[in-house]
Amino acid sequence: AQSVTQPDIHITVSEGASLELRCNYSYGATPYLFWYVQSPGQGLQLLLKYFSGDTLVQGIKGFEAEFKRSQSSFNLRKPSVHWSDAAEYFCAVGDITGGGNKLTFGTGTQLKVEL
Amino acid sequence: DSGVTQTPKHLITATGQRVTLRCSPRSGDLSVYWYQQSLDQGLQFLIQYYNGEERAKGNILERFSAQQFPDLHSELNLSSLELGDSALYFCASSSAAGAGQPQHFGDGTRLSIL
Repeated sequence: AQSVTQPDIHITVSEGASLELRCNYSYGATPYLFWYVQSPGQGLQLLLKYFSGDTLVQGIKGFEAEFKRSQSSFNLRKPSVHWSDAAEYFCAVGDITGGGNKLTFGTGTQLKVEL
Repeated sequence: DSGVTQTPKHLITATGQRVTLRCSPRSGDLSVYWYQQSLDQGLQFLIQYYNGEERAKGNILERFSAQQFPDLHSELNLSSLELGDSALYFCASSSAAGAGQPQHFGDGTRLSIL
């Protein structure tokens, strides 16, 4: 069965510093990978997605992620964090077996930004 | 604004009761998904519908049921509610049924069981 591991439950960075959130996945085939962000009281907003092709994908709000098949990883990065980036971030893998499209999420990483 | 509308935003009820959560997908989206977010279980996929038909099923309890109507809105029915059903329930939608279609989430319905 597919699974997603986000090893960091909480991360604190200073505003303007770079950010990397880790994500490791387990999936038997070529994965469809996603990063979502959830602000308090809000739903999940799609940051970026990887289906195939270029392993470095660009998303919204200045985020990017790199797919590394050999490491089963899909880490999220941002070169300079803004205070408004404080939120919870979820990595997910899409399971399309049986014609469906369910997402399996990691446990999330709570990002705190110090001013 | 994702374009996915969920009502109500908050629901408070008692054990043993039944509730209905409603979701309107983004305009043009044919597929609807339901997820449950709780502190102990995290984000869990419940069920997916595509154009009125059930497409995929996850860890959905027998006390829970869902359907998608001809106008594509969906309802999630939760019955014989237990304290452990307290959670945030999300609806998401996508244009197609499979192949890793990105899902767009509503703001959720927060269900509190007293």
